[in-house]
Amino acid sequence: GQNIDQPTEMTATEGAIVQINCTYQTSGFNGLFWYQQHAGEAPTFLSYNVLDGLEEKGRFSSFLSRSKGYSYLLLKELQMKDSASYLCAVRLAGTALIFGKGTTLSVSS
Amino acid sequence: GAVVSQHPSRVICKSGTSVKIECRSLDFQATTMFWYRQFPKQSLMLMATSNEGSKATYEQGVEKDKFLINHASLTLSTLTVTSAHPEDSSFYICSASPLSLDSPLHFGNGTRLTVT
Repeated sequence: GQNIDQPTEMTATEGAIVQINCTYQTSGFNGLFWYQQHAGEAPTFLSYNVLDGLEEKGRFSSFLSRSKGYSYLLLKELQMKDSASYLCAVRLAGTALIFGKGTTLSVSS
Repeated sequence: GAVVSQHPSRVICKSGTSVKIECRSLDFQATTMFWYRQFPKQSLMLMATSNEGSKATYEQGVEKDKFLINHASLTLSTLTVTSAHPEDSSFYICSASPLSLDSPLHFGNGTRLTVT
């Protein structure tokens, strides 16, 4: 079966930096995606990695190590609005994504 | 950017009735669309892959006769929950992406189904 693990919950304060880890063991790999989801809403795309290394997009960065089956999402200069669930997802064959259970991030002032 | 539209956003139905959910890709053609289900405080679970012009592919444990999928055109897929029961109450989300492996999946806004 497919296995994607990430922490269930994390807390941080405004202005801080937080790193959300994701490990995966899947039957295939065509890229790793990070999505943000606010309660009751659909996920929104944050970042994508298919090659090893760091991808930076403003306050968000994502890292991938395919040999270790490991990724992380780095959020800088945290804001209250960043409180949400962060979903790690792996693309197998085709274009479907398999999601981890998500990490609920709570940002406090 | 790519946009996926889903309708309705919220529906309440009685047990035993059927509900149809529509998913449209607005500015790209999608030969494949995906249907996910999300229960409270849980992640998205892939239910089925909708293929334009052919039968849908269902994930293990998903009843194909209960969740009917029709993908009649390159921009429209529908999911019909037949003979709905309270345990079918969930958040259903469709998704699609342009034909490129490095394109992210774009999600519709989801449909909150409540079966009474």
